[in-house]
Amino acid sequence: SQQGEEDPQALSIQEGENATMNCSYKTSINNLQWYRQNSGRGLVHLILIRSNEREKHSGRLRVTLDTSKKSSSLLITASRAADTASYFCATPSDTGANSKLTFGKGITLSVRP
Amino acid sequence: GAVVSQHPSRVICKSGTSVKIECRSLDFQATTMFWYRQFPKQSLMLMATSNEGSKATYEQGVEKDKFLINHASLTLSTLTVTSAHPEDSSFYICSAPGLAGGFTDTQYFGPGTRLTVL
Repeated sequence: SQQGEEDPQALSIQEGENATMNCSYKTSINNLQWYRQNSGRGLVHLILIRSNEREKHSGRLRVTLDTSKKSSSLLITASRAADTASYFCATPSDTGANSKLTFGKGITLSVRP
Repeated sequence: GAVVSQHPSRVICKSGTSVKIECRSLDFQATTMFWYRQFPKQSLMLMATSNEGSKATYEQGVEKDKFLINHASLTLSTLTVTSAHPEDSSFYICSAPGLAGGFTDTQYFGPGTRLTVL
């Protein structure tokens, strides 16, 4: 089964609003990562949160992690049209360096100007 | 930040031909690179792990004789789709682990290669 399931699968909001995306996973992790993909492009790493962290901020991004519920959320505040993209959560397969990532299905975010 | 390039960005080929896709880490060395494929509106599916100096590790269900991977140097991995068929049409993306805040857990992705097999 796929590690990392995001919801909602599609989200449409008005510019300036906040966007919240959720991700659930099944196995134990040592970190969880969020990536963004613009249409037809590669992925860009947004933020990484470790299993011993509960919340992390980076600019307009806020990520939370609840290991007891095996879930994470990504909040984008004051959204902009340029935030329109697909967002994926990803978890590493093991604790070693260079471990492979398993991606969730992704959330398509549309920010209306 | 770390940059990964892919070439070509788009390729159209006839059924039965082979296509080579290059993945390069431009400003860092990568002993490991990953190859993914992505169908429209779907997530990334890991195909294989490319290891410099040794054989690639393929994910279950991925034909190693069809998708040949060569990690020629610390900055270059190639994926060759042999005897391509229309069902191989997809978006192929490579990535390389890099340092982000001191950790090698994150990956830097190439811009992807759109393969269309006629």
